Amino acid sequence: RKEVEQDPGPFNVPEGATVAFNCTYSNSASQSFFWYRQDCRKEPKLLMSVYSSGNEDGRFTAQLNRASQYISLLIRDSKLSDSATYLCVVRIGYKLSFGAGTTVTVRA
Amino acid sequence: DTGVSQNPRHKITKRGQNVTFRCDPISEHNRLYWYRQTLGQGPEFLTYFQNEAQLEKSRLLSDRFSAERPKGSFSTLEIQRTEQGDSAMYLCASSLGGQAVLSSGDEQFFGPGTRLTVL
Repeated sequence: RKEVEQDPGPFNVPEGATVAFNCTYSNSASQSFFWYRQDCRKEPKLLMSVYSSGNEDGRFTAQLNRASQYISLLIRDSKLSDSATYLCVVRIGYKLSFGAGTTVTVRA
Repeated sequence: DTGVSQNPRHKITKRGQNVTFRCDPISEHNRLYWYRQTLGQGPEFLTYFQNEAQLEKSRLLSDRFSAERPKGSFSTLEIQRTEQGDSAMYLCASSLGGQAVLSSGDEQFFGPGTRLTVL
């Protein structure tokens, strides 16, 4: 079983729509949680950390449920520039484990 | 540019040849990581250096793979006798971490990667 499982999508949404997706992780010892963004053929970049209390960064809202080992990301008012693959990431110590990514395409 | 750099950006080689990639981390970062990413998958951890010490190697890193960070600055990843299954993006990341080698450290910053194609 993979450490991090994500719905691969793709999610194809119009500009201005809200899109939400999630991932699950298998190791209850996971310490930190993140969403990374990866554009086509580019390196992953940190989008935001995820906390149990839930956190927002502009149009992005992330949520962590430790009991269910479930992480979510919601994007409001989608922009064309939000088109990317979103990687769910968990950390144990120094080691990051990545999901396979959820592809989001925002159309005009 | 003060980010992580990797060279070459692309490498095409024939099966059986040896290849070497280089990673230059952000200058003050003491930690360096190598990951491998294949199409449709997320990056997978390969190995971790704290300064010049290689502290962990994934089981993904077969005997044909070797990584070094001789002076605690840049790192090289060598693949001997390449196989078609080695075709992937090889990503390097660096971070600033404390002396406790198993601690989480700060955010990992990724380089642009080296895309390897083995024919």
